[in-house]
Amino acid sequence: AQTVTQSQPEMSVQEAETVTLSCTYDTSESNYYLFWYKQPPSRQMILVIRQEAYKQQNATENRFSVNFQKAAKSFSLKISDSQLGDTAMYFCAFMKDSGYALNFGKGTSLLVTP
Amino acid sequence: DAGITQSPRYKITETGRQVTLMCHQTWSHSYMFWYRQDLGHGLRLIYYSAAADITDKGEVPDGYVVSRSKTENFPLTLESATRSQTSVYFCASTEGLAVQETQYFGPGTRLLVL
Repeated sequence: AQTVTQSQPEMSVQEAETVTLSCTYDTSESNYYLFWYKQPPSRQMILVIRQEAYKQQNATENRFSVNFQKAAKSFSLKISDSQLGDTAMYFCAFMKDSGYALNFGKGTSLLVTP
Repeated sequence: DAGITQSPRYKITETGRQVTLMCHQTWSHSYMFWYRQDLGHGLRLIYYSAAADITDKGEVPDGYVVSRSKTENFPLTLESATRSQTSVYFCASTEGLAVQETQYFGPGTRLLVL
């Protein structure tokens, strides 16, 4: 079974600063997919970014980028120029190539302060 | 409205009662999913469906029943609600034909079983 670990239950960052959220996973699969989802206080789950394991290039979406280290099984999320609206719970998720279910970590609560 | 919707958004019921949570998507996505979210956990898959009339169990299916008579609808029924089923339930669908495509989530249903 795949496990996803987010070792930082809570983090805080000041507006305009950069913050990195950590995620590690355990799998024996060679190809898979990794995701970061954001859950603001509204509880809506919003896709932030997606990475296919066979792609060496790190995914980026505007202020959000990932550092994907396949050998280390690490998938961290960097948020640049943090905004108050980035305050949310962030979930890392894994899906194996032959699978159908997203396996989620327990989440990191991010607070952006003025 | 386009997208994925869930109803009701909030539900209070009593132990032993049958409850049905509705999920509707307007994208004609093939795959649909039901997850539950509990404190201290990420989301966990209950059931998923690859197409109309095709459903399969996820990680935590006990006590739940699903059906998919139409592509756009994927109701989740708790046949005899228990307190342990108090949770937030999320419906999701994938944007493409492959199950590994990105999943987009509905707004969630908060269920309280007394």
